[in-house]
Amino acid sequence: NAGVTQTPKFRVLKTGQSMTLLCAQDMNHEYMYWYRQDPGMGLRLIHYSVGEGTTAKGEVPDGYNVSRLKKQNFLLGLESAAPSQTSVYFCATSGPGATAPFSYEQYFGPGTRLTVT
Amino acid sequence: EDKVVQSPLSLVVHEGDTVTLNCSYEVTNFRSLLWYKQEKKAPTFLFMLTSSGIEKKSGRLSSILDKKELSSILNITATQTGDSAIYLCAVEDSYNTDKLIFGTGTRLQVFP
Repeated sequence: NAGVTQTPKFRVLKTGQSMTLLCAQDMNHEYMYWYRQDPGMGLRLIHYSVGEGTTAKGEVPDGYNVSRLKKQNFLLGLESAAPSQTSVYFCATSGPGATAPFSYEQYFGPGTRLTVT
Repeated sequence: EDKVVQSPLSLVVHEGDTVTLNCSYEVTNFRSLLWYKQEKKAPTFLFMLTSSGIEKKSGRLSSILDKKELSSILNITATQTGDSAIYLCAVEDSYNTDKLIFGTGTRLQVFP
């Protein structure tokens, strides 16, 4: 059981480039989330998904898009990267026992460190 | 605006000490409060609290919620160097968007 995995682990982008971060889970969880973590800011929710084919905006969605075409994968896209998107990105999932997206403990992936120059 | 505030921001103690970490919140429609421990990478779940006054315990860690004071504490007794981490508090707001709002964390350093 790999749990929650994220690829890539590290990435450096130039301003204006695009990229996709992949989150994969093998726990059969319904709910998946993308967070960013910045110094002094805590974790902030970017987008989340309550099931295959669904997505919803979180606290800081601007500049990001997401897709959940398969239950086990949640993709985070940056269409035109900006230096303000330099951050550590965490994916998380929650599953059986959850009555609503945030009503149960979340399992986090190892994170992706993204630098935009 | 909804917010979660943790204190202290940073704490340095010696092994064996007992520490208390605080989390206070202002959230429109409270559903639950969660504590996470973050070491080098991803946060790991510690506790979920939904009812006031009921202590949750796991080994040397315990936590309790006070809905009247809009706060929670996380206690760690007989601290060990392995307890060194950032402790994150998060509150679930069930109103409309079901947001989970994180505090900025308390950095705990335990020295031998």
